[in-house]
Amino acid sequence: DAKTTQPTSMDCAEGRAANLPCNHSTISGNEYVYWYRQIHSQGPQYIIHGLKNNETNEMASLIITEDRKSSTLILPHATLRDTAVYYCIVAGRRALTFGSGTRLQVQP
Amino acid sequence: EAGVTQFPSHSVIEKGQTVTLRCDPISGHDNLYWYRRVMGKEIKFLLHFVKESKQDESGMPNNRFLAERTGGTYSTLKVQPAELEDSGVYFCASSRSWDRGLDYGYTFGSGTRLTVV
Repeated sequence: DAKTTQPTSMDCAEGRAANLPCNHSTISGNEYVYWYRQIHSQGPQYIIHGLKNNETNEMASLIITEDRKSSTLILPHATLRDTAVYYCIVAGRRALTFGSGTRLQVQP
Repeated sequence: EAGVTQFPSHSVIEKGQTVTLRCDPISGHDNLYWYRRVMGKEIKFLLHFVKESKQDESGMPNNRFLAERTGGTYSTLKVQPAELEDSGVYFCASSRSWDRGLDYGYTFGSGTRLTVV
């Protein structure tokens, strides 16, 4: 699977948009971009995923660049409950490989 | 639909004992995965089932770990004999058959926290 690069940590003010970047310059054509988060020691929670088009669901938006070498997860109105470690994962038809993720701290 | 269910949620055993973890995937999900997170480390892949067959077991740490998925439904992960370094949180995940697309990604269970003392 392609390797991803994420900032180690980020802060965001409550109520503001949180924009989490991810670089995946070695992504191949059949690999999806997945975003998961882990709150404390809970199981990883699915957020969103996409192949090449931008995606939006009730939790977040995923913006993938045209060359697919990077993406941004957008939480439109961050709340304190969004404080978590966010994982950007690139994978094809196989198991996900987790990196160290971005620790997002939402500040009141 | 019901989520991925794992039990027990916690298990404390002595070194040398045997423990069996169970995972019930979402009904109809052909793919089942086991992961482990050791304290302070990243979440690591252990193995992947497609129905009852082991598709990829490259992440299994050693032969003290045995995973089964009889009938392609629930799966068990047995650790025998348990060692101190086996302590961690064991997660299970499931996903639909790739032939039917990946519309919903992979769904994870809440995990089993294993403590070996």
